[in-house]
Amino acid sequence: DAKTTQPNSMESNEEEPVHLPCNHSTISGTDYIHWYRQLPSQGPEYVIHGLTSNVNNRMASLAIAEDRKSSTLILHRATLRDAAVYYCIPPIYSGAGSYQLTFGKGTKLSVIP
Amino acid sequence: DARVTQTPRHKVTEMGQEVTMRCQPILGHNTVFWYRQTMMQGLELLAYFRNRAPLDDSGMPKDRFSAEMPDATLATLKIQPSEPRDSAVYFCASGLPRNSRVEEQFFGPGTRLTVL
Repeated sequence: DAKTTQPNSMESNEEEPVHLPCNHSTISGTDYIHWYRQLPSQGPEYVIHGLTSNVNNRMASLAIAEDRKSSTLILHRATLRDAAVYYCIPPIYSGAGSYQLTFGKGTKLSVIP
Repeated sequence: DARVTQTPRHKVTEMGQEVTMRCQPILGHNTVFWYRQTMMQGLELLAYFRNRAPLDDSGMPKDRFSAEMPDATLATLKIQPSEPRDSAVYFCASGLPRNSRVEEQFFGPGTRLTVL
């Protein structure tokens, strides 16, 4: 199963872009990388996922390295509401076709007004 | 606005008591997950169901925990007897698989359980 490495914490100024890195050097060729975030006192929230090429949605962009050993979640303009713990998650496969997302420690993003 | 709902939102109980937590997945989602979050362990997957059948419950302590889906609109997580170490926030999530994979899980607000 793939392991991920993320910085414990990051800071950003409001309305500045934020680049959240993740290393996943052991990911397999067919595994998607998922990103979720958890705002204070809330359940996790899906942000984005991708396989090889860069992905964009209304929340963020995901830049995946060509060798797929790392990826970067990009928030184009951080707002106070983006202060959260961001999780970079590879899937885990277990028996009977089970496909799970395992949440590590994540990166705690603080946004400074 | 479709959402996963969980009840109760908060529960305080004494050691040895039975605790039942309930989850209503988003209508039409056939995959339901139960997670537990503590400061020490972070977010852990306890069990998950597809089409009401348990697909994987290897993360769940079997001696005191049980999870069921009596119907497609209700998932339950029961602890009997409860212990102080069970104190945590329990999240339910639901989703629809694509090629057997649920890429986007929708989480409920959680049940904060305190066992005294």
